[in-house]
Amino acid sequence: AQKITQTQPGMFVQEKEAVTLDCTYDTSDPSYGLFWYKQPSSGEMIFLIYQGSYDQQNATEGRYSLNFQKARKSANLVISASQLGDSAMYFCAMREGGSQGNLIFGKGTKLSVKP
Amino acid sequence: SQTIHQWPATLVQPVGSPLSLECTVEGTSNPNLYWYRQAAGRGLQLLFYSVGIGQISSEVPQNLSASRPQDRQFILSSKKLLLSDSGFYLCAWTAGTSIQETQYFGPGTRLLVL
Repeated sequence: AQKITQTQPGMFVQEKEAVTLDCTYDTSDPSYGLFWYKQPSSGEMIFLIYQGSYDQQNATEGRYSLNFQKARKSANLVISASQLGDSAMYFCAMREGGSQGNLIFGKGTKLSVKP
Repeated sequence: SQTIHQWPATLVQPVGSPLSLECTVEGTSNPNLYWYRQAAGRGLQLLFYSVGIGQISSEVPQNLSASRPQDRQFILSSKKLLLSDSGFYLCAWTAGTSIQETQYFGPGTRLLVL
């Protein structure tokens, strides 16, 4: 079974609107971390936001926020006020407590922002 | 501040030729290092990771190997490339193995095997 599932291969959003990118995860480890990365066409992986399994509040970083629903095992990324530069692939990833720091990635969502 | 370098940026190699990709990290010591491969339009697959000099763990059996000859240097190699080795190779580092450690990535190497 996949540990990280991103069900939206592609998404479109109008400039200045908000968009939610879905991510569900599967783990039996009580301690884990969830990450979102952005990959523009240049290929670099850019860290966006982190949420720990024990964090009580949803993480926020500027226009990025994470809608963390632990019971549903979901960690959706919300981008507010979309900009043209937000067009990219977005990857959700998880690190389990028993790992050597390895990240498990989902297959990604391609976001296209329309002017 | 820490920076991570990869070279070459792009590489076109014939089937059966050898491969050597290099990754170096600056501005930190004793990092954990990782090699990932990304096939076109796909997610990242962890290939190798290293928690110290000479310590290499392999995640996926393949014709690739990795070495860590120095603290901040990580090398990905192959003796004979296959067509299926084509892809985008990313090196990454973390300061530790705790769950909140952010993993930072290099610019990547695009490899095309013909």
